Amino acid sequence: AQKVTQAQTEISVVEKEDVTLDCVYETRDTTYYLFWYKQPPSGELVFLIRRNSFDEQNEISGRYSWNFQKSTSSFNFTITASQVVDSAVYFCALSEDTSGGSNYKLTFGKGTLLTVNP
Amino acid sequence: GAVVSQHPSRVICKSGTSVKIECRSLDFQATTMFWYRQFPKQSLMLMATSNEGSKATYEQGVEKDKFLINHASLTLSTLTVTSAHPEDSSFYICSARETGLNTEAFFGQGTRLTVV
Repeated sequence: AQKVTQAQTEISVVEKEDVTLDCVYETRDTTYYLFWYKQPPSGELVFLIRRNSFDEQNEISGRYSWNFQKSTSSFNFTITASQVVDSAVYFCALSEDTSGGSNYKLTFGKGTLLTVNP
Repeated sequence: GAVVSQHPSRVICKSGTSVKIECRSLDFQATTMFWYRQFPKQSLMLMATSNEGSKATYEQGVEKDKFLINHASLTLSTLTVTSAHPEDSSFYICSARETGLNTEAFFGQGTRLTVV
């Protein structure tokens, strides 16, 4: 069975600080996808990134960066120079089915509430 | 990215009534759609997988007679909460995946259901 753990329930930082959100996953499959989503107070889920299990390259997109380490089953997310608009709940998720079949379920972590104070 | 539209965004209904939530893929065809439920300050839990032209697959513990899912076309899936009770109050969110291999799943805006 697959499992995603986001140990940090809430994080509070001051604007311009860097912050890292942790994500640890468990899966028996060798082929899988990892995701990060942002959920602002309005409720919709905003897709941030998808990473497949064979691509361990770190990724940077503007102020966002992701560190994928298969050896520790972690997929951490760092926001550099945080801004108030970054305040949201962030979810890490795992999908084991990459075959194109109908079973493309996402298993979500419990989420981390990030509050960026001015 | 592709757009998934969910309607309504908010609904309040009386106990015992039924509520229908629609999930539409606006610019792509979706063989498969997924329905999730989220309680306040909690994670998203998959309720069921909706397949166009066939019966939905429900996750363990989800009552299929209470949460009716219909996926009649490649762009529309509906979730009907039947005989709603206050404990059904929750945030329901759908996602749709394009037909084909290795395609992304996009989420709707969610529906906040309040049963009074």
